[in-house]
Amino acid sequence: KQEVTQIPAALSVPEGENLVLNCSFTDSAIYNLQWFRQDPGKGLTSLLLIQSSQREQTSGRLNASLDKSSGRSTLYIAASQPGDSATYLCAVKKENYGGATNKLIFGTGTLLAVQP
Amino acid sequence: DAEITQSPRHKITETGRQVTLACHQTWNHNNMFWYRQDLGHGLRLIHYSYGVQDTNKGEVSDGYSVSRSNTEDLPLTLESAASSQTSVYFCASSESSGGATDTQYFGPGTRLTVL
Repeated sequence: KQEVTQIPAALSVPEGENLVLNCSFTDSAIYNLQWFRQDPGKGLTSLLLIQSSQREQTSGRLNASLDKSSGRSTLYIAASQPGDSATYLCAVKKENYGGATNKLIFGTGTLLAVQP
Repeated sequence: DAEITQSPRHKITETGRQVTLACHQTWNHNNMFWYRQDLGHGLRLIHYSYGVQDTNKGEVSDGYSVSRSNTEDLPLTLESAASSQTSVYFCASSESSGGATDTQYFGPGTRLTVL
């Protein structure tokens, strides 16, 4: 059974700091991995999607890497800002018989607070 | 702009009552999903649908049902609400059937409290 773990559960950093959020998964047979952002009382917004054949994806100050063989992904946020404060979740899409299912398996998230 | 909406946003009900949570999307997506989010568990899949008249059970489907009569809507029904079903419920939709780059779009959530 695929399990997705995120460490740390919570993180508080001063504004301007570079930071790394971690995601690990137990079954390397994934189709892709996504990082989502969730603001309080809101739904999830997709930030980055890494296909299983890719090593990283970048969007602005965000960079996500994927090491499928070791079951790890990291989300790097450069020059953090108070507006980055949110919960960040990773999710994997399972691979099924060489294709993919539509089901996502989520980690429990990292609550990030960026202090001004 | 296309969107996915949920109603109500907040609901308080009593144990044993039937409750229906609405989800409506204007993306014209074939795939729709219901998740619940609880502290310490992340998001867990309740039910999902790949098209009209198609429904499937997810990881935590006991006590819940869905029906898909059109592309836009996937209502979630709690047949007899229990306190263990107090949670935040999210609906999501996606376009394709398991493509490598398709993503799920999420609604704003419904906070349900069962007393």
